[in-house]
Amino acid sequence: GNSVTQMEGPVTLSEEAFLTINCTYTATGYPSLFWYVQYPGEGLQLLLKATKADDKGSNKGFEATYRKETTSFHLEKGSVQVSDSAVYFCALSPTDNYGQNFVFGPGTRLSVLP
Amino acid sequence: EPEVTQTPSHQVTQMGQEVILRCVPISNHLYFYWYRQILGQKVEFLVSFYNNEISEKSEIFDDQFSVERPDGSNFTLKIRSTKLEDSAMYFCASSQVNEQFFGPGTRLTVL
Repeated sequence: GNSVTQMEGPVTLSEEAFLTINCTYTATGYPSLFWYVQYPGEGLQLLLKATKADDKGSNKGFEATYRKETTSFHLEKGSVQVSDSAVYFCALSPTDNYGQNFVFGPGTRLSVLP
Repeated sequence: EPEVTQTPSHQVTQMGQEVILRCVPISNHLYFYWYRQILGQKVEFLVSFYNNEISEKSEIFDDQFSVERPDGSNFTLKIRSTKLEDSAMYFCASSQVNEQFFGPGTRLTVL
C-alpha cells in the first residue's frame, strides 16, 4: 500500500542552522508530494508541493525536490529561524485522479533555539 | 483567498453523547474529507465524500461515524456515541484536483 516515512525527531537546531528533514514514500503510480506545517495549537498549512518527478517545491525559504529514483522528498532550509519551530508532515496523494485521500507521515517536530 | 472553515474550534462532550462537527469547504470544490489527529500522533484519514456519497473510508470510520452534506455549503461529521478515544483534532479538507485544502480543525475532548 501507500506509505510515507519521515524522520520522527524531535529535531533541535540553533537559529541560522541548516535544516534537512528526510521523507521517503512508497506508492503505486505517480503520486503528488506535499509538505505541511503545523504550528503549535493550529491546523495544517500547506508549505510546498511537487506533482511530478524532478519538480522542486519551494516556499518561505524551504525547498524539496521530488526524486522518483530514490522515492524521496526531503525538506531543506538553509537558515532556520525561531519562528520555524513547528511540526512538519510529509504527505502524498496517491495518483493524479481526483478525490484520493492523503497519506501522511508521522510528523517531525522542529525546535529552533535562539 | 478562499479557505475551509470549521466550527466549533473546541468541543467538549461527555462519553456517550453525540457530537456534530461542522465544516464549510471551499465553494467550487467537489471532494470533501475528514481526517483526525490524536494528540501528538500522525494525521489519519477517516473518509472522503463525492457526489453526495462516501467514496472511500478507513477502518477507523466505523458505524459510530457518519457524514452528510445537508445543504450546498456545509459538510458535517457526526459521532453517534462518543468514546474517550475519540478525543482528537478533527480536520476537514476539500479539493478540486489533488491538492487538498485543510481547515483549522476542531479539537474534540471526550470526558
